[in-house]
Amino acid sequence: AQSVTQLDSHVSVSEGTPVLLRCNYSSSYSPSLFWYVQHPNKGLQLLLKYTSAATLVKGINGFEAEFKKSETSFHLTKPSAHMSDAAEYFCVVSVSGGSYIPTFGRGTSLIVHP
Amino acid sequence: DAGVTQSPTHLIKTRGQHVTLRCSPISGHKSVSWYQQVLGQGPQFIFQYYEKEERGRGNFPDRFSARQFPNYSSELNVNALLLGDSALYLCASSLAATSGSSYEQYFGPGTRLTVT
Repeated sequence: AQSVTQLDSHVSVSEGTPVLLRCNYSSSYSPSLFWYVQHPNKGLQLLLKYTSAATLVKGINGFEAEFKKSETSFHLTKPSAHMSDAAEYFCVVSVSGGSYIPTFGRGTSLIVHP
Repeated sequence: DAGVTQSPTHLIKTRGQHVTLRCSPISGHKSVSWYQQVLGQGPQFIFQYYEKEERGRGNFPDRFSARQFPNYSSELNVNALLLGDSALYLCASSLAATSGSSYEQYFGPGTRLTVT
């Protein structure tokens, strides 16, 4: 069984300040972890992924995430928020063995103030 | 290259009716997955097809069915529509159906289904 918990439904930051979106996961096997972003009326776009290589993963648009097995976390960070980062962010977990059925978190809405 | 395309964009149906949603994957992608996204929630996995065979099924009733065609496009069918089926239906394609970089999923813009 697998599950993912996004700890904040909304995160509000000012432009130019750091972003932290928190994600905890639960998995019986070695997980693959993803972060997706969804802008209003648009499809989901992959930001970054962890698949058992380096624990610090760099993604697009300056985002990073660190896989911490001891804390079962995969938090998403960005040093400096931009207005265009305002969107819905989803943390996703999937596990190996047969087919990969991904489980999405409920999402975190990132609000960026000027 | 064209991304994942879905049709129609929006759809309004009445309770009890049937609906068919269509998806064309990125050229060369052999796997298609379907997701339901209810307003305010994350997408929920419905089906995955790879090489025309069902490779995964989420926790959805038998009213939901899908198939994949020889050209790798896919249809999602929902029978006996309920009000609770109102959602954004997303299609995603990938090169393969298992782990690794080839599993990276590319999502279409979705079909917004409203059941009245």
